[in-house]
Amino acid sequence: DSGVTQTPKHLITATGQRVTLRCSPRSGDLSVYWYQQSLDQGLQFLIQYYNGEERAKGNILERFSAQQFPDLHSELNLSSLELGDSALYFCASSASGDTGELFFGEGSRLTVL
Amino acid sequence: KNEVEQSPQNLTAQEGEFITINCSYSVGISALHWLQQHPGGGIVSLFMLSSGKKKHGRLIATINIQEKHSSLHITASHPRDSAVYICALYSGGGADGLTFGKGTHLIIQP
Repeated sequence: DSGVTQTPKHLITATGQRVTLRCSPRSGDLSVYWYQQSLDQGLQFLIQYYNGEERAKGNILERFSAQQFPDLHSELNLSSLELGDSALYFCASSASGDTGELFFGEGSRLTVL
Repeated sequence: KNEVEQSPQNLTAQEGEFITINCSYSVGISALHWLQQHPGGGIVSLFMLSSGKKKHGRLIATINIQEKHSSLHITASHPRDSAVYICALYSGGGADGLTFGKGTHLIIQP
């Protein structure tokens, strides 16, 4: 058990819809990272938050947004969903702002029909 | 942009064999991670390296910063080592996240 909790584990929705994925980091970790893993693109970094502030941005689409709340949990919002957004979305946490040891959640599997 | 090459892409070996997975990259980095992903999908961080060598149980990871190359070794391999092994690069500076290799699919047969 990594100590990182992601919900929901599975999600099936339709094109055009909006979903929210939630991540609770390991106790004491200030950084939360979001990654997308699809069959054709592999793992890609989406975005990082550190202590409530956006710290780094990767290949995150404009239809996607994220935030980190004062209690350090984070949410990834995916809107106007397309078939190609079907993927595993991972959250990871670390203690520092620069990537130290990472602790991954089990992932949220999103299927867009 | 840092290019990451992992080799081999697929590896099938017999239980007990010594396994080596390689990761090469094109631009200098601050740190390199080795990750393990089991068929169920979960990802576990095995090592984070910025220089030298680290060992944990039967796993050994090395990095040569000058040659821009890292290796992950598994000694006395076991079927439970069957997984995808992914190297991921951190360039530093806080502006970028990790850049991932495509992974090595390892199957250890009993």
